[in-house]
Amino acid sequence: QVQLQQWGAGLLKPSETLSLACGVSGGSFSGYYWSWIRQPPGKGLEWIGEINHSGGANYNPSLKSRVIISVDTSKGQSSLKVTSLTAADTAVYYCASRDIAVVPAKEVWGQGTTVIVSS
Amino acid sequence: EIVMTQTPLSLPVTPGEPASISCRSSRSLLDSDDGNTYLDWYLQKPGQSAQLLIYTLSYRASGVPDRFSGSGSGTDFTLKISRVEAEDVGVYYCMQRLEWPITFGPGTRLEIK
Repeated sequence: QVQLQQWGAGLLKPSETLSLACGVSGGSFSGYYWSWIRQPPGKGLEWIGEINHSGGANYNPSLKSRVIISVDTSKGQSSLKVTSLTAADTAVYYCASRDIAVVPAKEVWGQGTTVIVSS
Repeated sequence: EIVMTQTPLSLPVTPGEPASISCRSSRSLLDSDDGNTYLDWYLQKPGQSAQLLIYTLSYRASGVPDRFSGSGSGTDFTLKISRVEAEDVGVYYCMQRLEWPITFGPGTRLEIK
């Protein structure tokens, strides 16, 4: 079964940079959108940003100056960087990708990475 | 940004009974250029990542049972489950992707009575 596998460090200090990545595993998948979403403890989902297969990216204004999302479609991978971390960035971070070239559309998610920002 | 709201926030349901969740957006989600309404529904089961149920208002995503259906127009939307099963427990989110930033509703927690 196709899914996204996430990796990256989850325990960071204030002011450090978060670097996460995710990639396709378990089969073939051609994502059109690659999104990053986070979920603070006990709260709902927050969209961080997304990038399309051509490399066009859009970010949440609440994070925009601190976030970079990239994609390598040849490898089926996306990466997320968030700079100048604070405790407010503590959350589970998810990557997701949607293939809109198939009907019905298919979307796969990563397993989530718990990120704790603490001194 | 477009603000999404949901009612109810908690929904106890007896297995086999229908369920309905409402979602409202602060602006119409109809794209006048292509005629699509960009409203999606997700389910996050306990301890799991979210999964896409419905996209572009009423299209069931790959692998989603046909007991799930989406409807609505403009700013008012509904997710219906024709017969709730135990595996449907979790938090349901509506999400708009008409414009950036993409925004989610606060979530509706469905529980089994």
